Amino acid sequence: AQKVTQAQTEISVVEKEDVTLDCVYETRDTTYYLFWYKQPPSGELVFLIRRNSFDEQNEISGRYSWNFQKSTSSFNFTITASQVVDSAVYFCAPLSGGSYIPTFGRGTSLIVHP
Amino acid sequence: DAGVIQSPRHEVTEMGQEVTLRCKPISGHNSLFWYRQTMMRGLELLIYFNNNVPIDDSGMPEDRFSAKMPNASFSTLKIQPSEPRDSAVYFCASSLAGTDTQYFGPGTRLTVL
Repeated sequence: AQKVTQAQTEISVVEKEDVTLDCVYETRDTTYYLFWYKQPPSGELVFLIRRNSFDEQNEISGRYSWNFQKSTSSFNFTITASQVVDSAVYFCAPLSGGSYIPTFGRGTSLIVHP
Repeated sequence: DAGVIQSPRHEVTEMGQEVTLRCKPISGHNSLFWYRQTMMRGLELLIYFNNNVPIDDSGMPEDRFSAKMPNASFSTLKIQPSEPRDSAVYFCASSLAGTDTQYFGPGTRLTVL
């Protein structure tokens, strides 16, 4: 079984600020996967990234970057130079290697003001 | 390529009526998931199909809910009779296999009056 904590319920920033969304997960498995999804105001769930537990390299995709720290069980997500279109709820979701159901956190609502 | 397709996008119905939600997974995906999202409970898995066979339906709330997957390209979630507490957004997701990335449809917003 896995557990995920997204301690930040809501974050409010002004456009162009950098913002980091925290995700702490708990799992007893050595093989697992970590996902981030974005849910904009329109409601759809958009896949952002998947990492496996054996790959601790950080990932950068445009303004998005992810920092995976296995030692602290964290998989944080940073948006550089935030934009209004980044306003959404962001979900972190670990998936244990023996399971097929990701555990979705409660999400962090990011509001980017112009 | 088309993503996961769900219909209808919005459904408003009266208590006691039958509701049928539809989903077309991404072509070639073998796993299909139905979720429900509410403010109170967040995102909950209702049922999981693999190769059209229901594998885990432990999340289905009660007998009023049923799901079918008659073929690899179509699934339905039926609520009969519907109740106001069923009001939620229902998502369908598909993946290549059970542990692969799930891709979500746009959701069906159900309101039961």
